[in-house]
Amino acid sequence: DGGITQSPKYLFRKEGQNVTLSCEQNLNHDAMYWYRQDPGQGLRLIYYSQIVNDFQKGDIAEGYSVSREKKESFPLTVTSAQKNPTAFYLCASSKNLAGERSGELFFGEGSRLTVL
Amino acid sequence: ELKVEQNPLFLSMQEGKNYTIYCNYSTTSDRLYWYRQDPGKSLESLFVLLSNGAVKQEGRLMASLDTKARLSTLHITAAVHDLSATYFCAVASSGTYKYIFGTGTRLKVLA
Repeated sequence: DGGITQSPKYLFRKEGQNVTLSCEQNLNHDAMYWYRQDPGQGLRLIYYSQIVNDFQKGDIAEGYSVSREKKESFPLTVTSAQKNPTAFYLCASSKNLAGERSGELFFGEGSRLTVL
Repeated sequence: ELKVEQNPLFLSMQEGKNYTIYCNYSTTSDRLYWYRQDPGKSLESLFVLLSNGAVKQEGRLMASLDTKARLSTLHITAAVHDLSATYFCAVASSGTYKYIFGTGTRLKVLA
């Protein structure tokens, strides 16, 4: 079945370490996204990518980096520069802006990062 | 800068009652989405609203969009316990892929 796979589901990190969260989709979607969610809060956009080899900063990009070398993959690196990285990270993808459900986001199951 | 506000933030209601969640946004947009999130889980798409006056219904939920007022509503009819969840609206500025989410409305339906 088509979908979005995020890994790992749970990750523990020591302060000062970089970690990379994986996001893979087989929906043939062009656009992919990373959001951060803190407990009891909404989703905040970290980075998004409309096409391969191109991406844009969202509202909270500081301390994060991404790459988009393949259409299917959009990994997120949480660097040591991110001061408060403990959160739930959600990856999503969307179809092109056409059709009945234009731009609808499909989400992965999320990755929960805890900094010790 | 696009801002998206939802109200109420918290909603506790009795089974069988009706209620409406509101989503206001600050700039021109031609697309608005509603999602549901259960505790500890990811988001599930509910509705896609693509034009002024659009109305979509699924079961006890109905969503509408007024682009002139920059307002969307999610109406709950005869609530049941299974509808307890957090509901988010999301908006993208016209022609862009930058989706901004509202703060969410945490709904609790009491038996």
